[in-house]
Amino acid sequence: RKEVEQDPGPFNVPEGATVAFNCTYSNSASQSFFWYRQDCRKEPKLLMSVYSSGNEDGRFTAQLNRASQYISLLIRDSKLSDSATYLCVVNSHNQAGTALIFGKGTTLSVSS
Amino acid sequence: EPEVTQTPSHQVTQMGQEVILRCVPISNHLYFYWYRQILGQKVEFLVSFYNNEISEKSEIFDDQFSVERPDGSNFTLKIRSTKLEDSAMYFCASTTGGALFGQETQYFGPGTRLLVL
Repeated sequence: RKEVEQDPGPFNVPEGATVAFNCTYSNSASQSFFWYRQDCRKEPKLLMSVYSSGNEDGRFTAQLNRASQYISLLIRDSKLSDSATYLCVVNSHNQAGTALIFGKGTTLSVSS
Repeated sequence: EPEVTQTPSHQVTQMGQEVILRCVPISNHLYFYWYRQILGQKVEFLVSFYNNEISEKSEIFDDQFSVERPDGSNFTLKIRSTKLEDSAMYFCASTTGGALFGQETQYFGPGTRLLVL
């Protein structure tokens, strides 16, 4: 069974804090990895793709460990607007048009 | 920026009734998807569609479900005889399908919230 597991949280942090989310996936055929963000009752929106070498986009850093089937997201200098649910997502298999497998999400609440 | 659109935003129906959820994918995209999210649960894949046929479907997508691209712009999900457990948010998504290794971004529509009574 293909699963993505995440700590559901919630993570309650003050503005300016650094927070890290972790995720594990069970499908060894997955080759593409993503973090999506979902605001309450809204659609998932791509935050960033995750590459083998790790990648950074502003305050956000994603890491991938294929051997451990582990993905992480680090958010530095948290803003109030970062409050959302962060979804760890992997593809089902390695071809165009493949299904995405979602984790249940980790909820982040940033307070002033 | 191009967007995936979905109608209606909300639909309330009686158990056993048929519903059709509509989506307009981004115009140059080739792959289309339906996902659902039951309240408080994870987003789940239902079906993908390419070149006018289903390319992949999950175990959720049983004979009660069907998809269609009736014209050049719309992509629909039909549920023939709704059950209480079909109550969920249904998201349509689309991609260009051109990237290697399925790395392309799937763009999601705002969803249709279906409530079956």
